[in-house]
Amino acid sequence: KAGVTQTPRYLIKTRGQQVTLSCSPISGHRSVSWYQQTPGQGLQFLFEYFSETQRNKGNFPGRFSGRQFSNSRSEMNVSTLELGDSALYLCASSLGGTYNEQFFGPGTRLTVL
Amino acid sequence: AQTVTQSQPEMSVQEAETVTLSCTYDTSESDYYLFWYKQPPSRQMILVIRQEAYKQQNATENRFSVNFQKAAKSFSLKISDSQLGDAAMYFCAYRSGRRGGADGLTFGKGTHLIIQP
Repeated sequence: KAGVTQTPRYLIKTRGQQVTLSCSPISGHRSVSWYQQTPGQGLQFLFEYFSETQRNKGNFPGRFSGRQFSNSRSEMNVSTLELGDSALYLCASSLGGTYNEQFFGPGTRLTVL
Repeated sequence: AQTVTQSQPEMSVQEAETVTLSCTYDTSESDYYLFWYKQPPSRQMILVIRQEAYKQQNATENRFSVNFQKAAKSFSLKISDSQLGDAAMYFCAYRSGRRGGADGLTFGKGTHLIIQP
């Protein structure tokens, strides 16, 4: 079974621009979660989608948004980029229950200049 | 809000020895799950072991085992017979059972494990 894929793997943007990151979950997985990893704040939960519905969102500004498509693929969007948005963005997919293992993708490294 | 604390930023162990990584958490919930994840230099997060809070028996996965002390809110990871491939960042994580999987993982800051050959 193919793992979680994320595209692109690396991205360089400038302040004020917007960016869209993509995540393709493992086949059959209906839940996709997004996390931001930075040296200062560590790993922080962004949001979780299940069957095209956002079920939960972490403590991030409205500039961070996402969506999930009918095939469970998910995108996250960051508008009006700030320097502090530079991070590794990780996507994880699972079957959806609390105990179900979250399988992580390799991440997208976003650099904001 | 739940918090997860890993008090050891870095640990070093000789190959083939045993090492224990510490984790404490704070929660008022009774239904939750605890995890240890490994993140090697490739940045790929890998689940090492998981524990349901309602289970008294400590989880074990081959060379990896946990010491789950619910009253003390402690969840340490023991790695036996350390191997060079175990070198990585290890993250302790908490997940609430309240919302059937909607809650994300709350991670600790991580422990960098170094394996000395």
